[in-house]
Amino acid sequence: GQNIDQPTEMTATEGAIVQINCTYQTSGFNGLFWYQQHAGEAPTFLSYNVLDGLEEKGRFSSFLSRSKGYSYLLLKELQMKDSASYLCAVKDSNYQLIWGAGTKLIIKP
Amino acid sequence: ETGVTQTPRHLVMGMTNKKSLKCEQHLGHNAMYWYKQSAKKPLELMFVYSLEERVENNSVPSRFSPECPNSSHLFLHLHTLQPEDSALYLCASSQDTSGSDTQYFGPGTRLTVL
Repeated sequence: GQNIDQPTEMTATEGAIVQINCTYQTSGFNGLFWYQQHAGEAPTFLSYNVLDGLEEKGRFSSFLSRSKGYSYLLLKELQMKDSASYLCAVKDSNYQLIWGAGTKLIIKP
Repeated sequence: ETGVTQTPRHLVMGMTNKKSLKCEQHLGHNAMYWYKQSAKKPLELMFVYSLEERVENNSVPSRFSPECPNSSHLFLHLHTLQPEDSALYLCASSQDTSGSDTQYFGPGTRLTVL
């Protein structure tokens, strides 16, 4: 079966750095997405990786290793507004998005 | 209005009621999706439409009935639901259904079935 694993919850301190890991086992691979979802709101797109390596976008970076079935989202200079759930999703061979259950990130002052 | 909109934002219904959820996208996209989001569970894809044709139906019970009259509008008709159907229902759209196409989500309808 297809599976996406990510930690259920993480806690970090304002101003610090946090890394949210995602491992996947899917039938085929057509890219990996990270979304941010604040409580009661829509998921919003953060990043897309299809080739191995690091993609940087401001305070957020996303890394992919296809051979290891592994990705991480790195958040730097954490702000209170970064408290949210972070969803990892992989497009399989049928171009269907397979979703992880999300990582709830709690930022403390 | 821009992006993806959904109405209503909140809905409470009894098991014998019939109601409809509405989604509208203002992005000029060709594909639209319905997802179910339950607490602490991954998003579950329910239906996919591409150019108004249904291309995916992930074994969803018949008490959920989608309708896509044009590429900008998507409905989810609900009837004789069960309490376990209570969840957040999210609509999304993307340019197409291929690899790099990003899905953009509406704010969701919080559904409670009594």
